Amino acid sequence: DTGVSQDPRHKITKRGQNVTFRCDPISEHNRLYWYRQTLGQGPEFLTYFQNEAQLEKSRLLSDRFSAERPKGSFSTLEIQRTEQGDSAMYLCASSPAPRGQPQHFGDGTRLSIL
Amino acid sequence: DQQVKQNSPSLSVQEGRISILNCDYTNSMFDYFLWYKKYPAEGPTFLISISSIKDKNEDGRFTVFLNKSAKHLSLHIVPSQPGDSAVYFCASGGSNYKLTFGKGTLLTVNP
Repeated sequence: DTGVSQDPRHKITKRGQNVTFRCDPISEHNRLYWYRQTLGQGPEFLTYFQNEAQLEKSRLLSDRFSAERPKGSFSTLEIQRTEQGDSAMYLCASSPAPRGQPQHFGDGTRLSIL
Repeated sequence: DQQVKQNSPSLSVQEGRISILNCDYTNSMFDYFLWYKKYPAEGPTFLISISSIKDKNEDGRFTVFLNKSAKHLSLHIVPSQPGDSAVYFCASGGSNYKLTFGKGTLLTVNP
């Protein structure tokens, strides 16, 4: 299967700890996106990369959040000093370059803050 | 403000009948629209899309209709099958590549 892969699927941590999630996009896709989904809501955009360049960040992405995509391949999303409000499903998606192409999502990382 | 609205949280239909899911948007800069289907514990799966230069796109049992003047789109599923039971998200995109999603509609297809 060559879909979008996310790791871990579930993460439980205590408030104040740092967490890091990984996303491996579909190999031929040069655009990679991070979204966050909470209960009863649709996915909300966080940030996206074209190759290794981070081109846009949402105001939802506070300074405790950082995302990287070294060498334009996999991406990591780190949350420092986690808070209760960070509990959510974090979704990664990828797409080919042309605008309007569908984004393909991974199964997400569910983060629970104790 | 919510730029993409799915006003029906849930919809129940009988197997074999038509399912119609609706979506409204407010941002006139959106120029492509997508529908995703989501099962529990899985990520959204792309179903069908439509560009703003079209008013209809069809793929098998799924048809998306776009009414630009009303800023309204709908997804028709004919015939509906029990395996179609899932949450359906409408999403809209513009010049900046990010997608804006509605809150979703839970479709239940009864055998």
